[in-house]
Amino acid sequence: DVKVTQSSRYLVKRTGEKVFLECVQDMDHENMFWYRQDPGLGLRLIYFSYDVKMKEKGDIPEGYSVSREKKERFSLILESASTNQTSMYLCASSFWSRVSGGADFGPGTRLTVT
Amino acid sequence: SQELEQSPQSLIVQEGKNLTINCTSSKTLYGLYWYKQKYGEGLIFLMMLQKGGEEKSHEKITAKLDEKKQQSSLHITASQPSHAGIYLCGADMAPNNNDMRFGAGTRLTVKP
Repeated sequence: DVKVTQSSRYLVKRTGEKVFLECVQDMDHENMFWYRQDPGLGLRLIYFSYDVKMKEKGDIPEGYSVSREKKERFSLILESASTNQTSMYLCASSFWSRVSGGADFGPGTRLTVT
Repeated sequence: SQELEQSPQSLIVQEGKNLTINCTSSKTLYGLYWYKQKYGEGLIFLMMLQKGGEEKSHEKITAKLDEKKQQSSLHITASQPSHAGIYLCGADMAPNNNDMRFGAGTRLTVKP
């Protein structure tokens, strides 16, 4: 019953490294999202995509970029990882223009930048 | 500051007890969603509320949206250890579906 998968559950990277977080969904959803989750702050939207090769900035896009070459895959890229990017990263997909009822979340990637 | 305020931040209850989690906004909400997250995992959708005064139930969990559509409560009856986790509210802050925010979450522990 695979729906939204993320490439890693746990990841440890060094400051300055380029980091790729992959998200794949098998539901043919047009819309995909990347959030980061931090204690006391809830989920904050980094980037989202409504279609292949289309992307929109969320609330906190600085230090991140994304790639959507295929409908089922949405990648988050940390160009030069920094310690303040240590966080839980959650990917989601949905049929609607925003995450809403019925949207599916991946299991999350806990990234530590040392 | 959070646009969606959740309270309490954490909650510890004895198995069998009832509990309520609140989600409040100073603005009118255009859709309100409740999710549950097991520690360290993704979010599981629980319920969606859109109309003022709406109430939905699933098993022992009931969610309500007030008439003004600025506050929602999630009520669990006769809590069980399986209810433990983080509960998050999310809401559409605008009618154009492009502005969704999340609360900071409520961490629920149920003691057997």
